Amino acid sequence: NSKVIQTPRYLVKGQGQKAKMRCIPEKGHPVVFWYQQNKNNEFKFLINFQNQEVLQQIDMTEKRFSAECPSNSPCSLEIQSSEAGDSALYLCASSSGDEDTQYFGPGTRLLVL
Amino acid sequence: GDSVTQTEGPVTLSEGTSLTVNCSYETKQYPTLFWYVQYPGEGPQLLFKVPKANEKGSNRGFEATYNKEATSFHLQKASVQESDSAVYYCALGDWQGGRALIFGTGTTVSVSP
Repeated sequence: NSKVIQTPRYLVKGQGQKAKMRCIPEKGHPVVFWYQQNKNNEFKFLINFQNQEVLQQIDMTEKRFSAECPSNSPCSLEIQSSEAGDSALYLCASSSGDEDTQYFGPGTRLLVL
Repeated sequence: GDSVTQTEGPVTLSEGTSLTVNCSYETKQYPTLFWYVQYPGEGPQLLFKVPKANEKGSNRGFEATYNKEATSFHLQKASVQESDSAVYYCALGDWQGGRALIFGTGTTVSVSP
């Protein structure tokens, strides 16, 4: 079973509000991914890190979304100004980096009213 | 770009019957292929992965063979149980760590007792 921890499990925000969620990867996993899963079960990759450095990110992430993985602290994903279309399950995954298996946390379900 | 196509659901079965979920992929690379399973309220869990062509992966009675010629990775189980009710995702990964997974749209499987 995955040991990726995500908090909070549920988040309710009004439009325009900030939404912040956190992730603690499995111990010893330096690579962290954030995905958005919509109500149709479609996955959208947002950003990934190796240790504290961004490896890849999509355009959407560069605008209203910000993320970081500081050393000795949880990784975080923050939406600066939430929109209704941001309502989704946000999944954090981690991997060892030596191979490609990703282990997922339970997700943070964001509802933007 | 890379893509994954799988059986559209929902798939409804009775306990004891067999399950097949089709998965086809497109890539110019040499991918690792994964099956993940997601239960309500949880993140995706790795069911198994197969890194090499012509090899078979299996776990909990589920199995799939990496068919490079047909670019397929169909999931099968000979006799399903009610506890197998979940959403199943085929995913395509890079042999290197650090790359985002490409997921299919998921197949909802419902098994009735």
